[in-house]
Amino acid sequence: DAKTTQPPSMDCAEGRAANLPCNHSTISGNEYVYWYRQIHSQGPQYIIHGLKNNETNEMASLIITEDRKSSTLILPHATLRDTAVYYCIGPDYGQNFVFGPGTRLSVLP
Amino acid sequence: DGGITQSPKYLFRKEGQNVTLSCEQNLNHDAMYWYRQDPGQGLRLIYYSQIVNDFQKGDIAEGYSVSREKKESFPLTVTSAQKNPTAFYLCASSIDGSRQPEQYFGPGTRLTVT
Repeated sequence: DAKTTQPPSMDCAEGRAANLPCNHSTISGNEYVYWYRQIHSQGPQYIIHGLKNNETNEMASLIITEDRKSSTLILPHATLRDTAVYYCIGPDYGQNFVFGPGTRLSVLP
Repeated sequence: DGGITQSPKYLFRKEGQNVTLSCEQNLNHDAMYWYRQDPGQGLRLIYYSQIVNDFQKGDIAEGYSVSREKKESFPLTVTSAQKNPTAFYLCASSIDGSRQPEQYFGPGTRLTVT
């Protein structure tokens, strides 16, 4: 059973914030949530990760709910180059990462 | 520049032939991984290695083999026993093999077998 779920696709207007949700309802207390993205035909790229506090870096912000059952990746000002598949990596990997189908984000001009 | 290189970017083979995909890293990472990606799908783990001369099967190891004789190299052989070898293959590395390490990916090799 998949323990991490994401919407299959989303659209966002260029210059607006893109908010990508992820549910990880079975996450345990010491498990991080990771976000990666994959631009077409390239290798995935690390974006951000977090445990319980909200995190921000030069690429994005990560908001984790207080119960840690879901998170949202925020791209504050989406550009056309942010069009990609975004993977939320949660607690279903055990020792190793499991990359599900992710969310295909299309940034529209 | 540090990173992971995979070669070649595109590879074509006839059915029944073994083929070896190259993966090299100069990040001084202990752990390395091989994933397979089919069109429109996520990544599936083939093999991983946490240290030199040691490796473990992932979720879809059948029809594949690996070696880890050097820290910086983790080649993947797609054997003729792999029933559907045409796919996009991605190599990754992480600083160690502990749980939840950040992984760095190479650019991938797209293998087509006809």
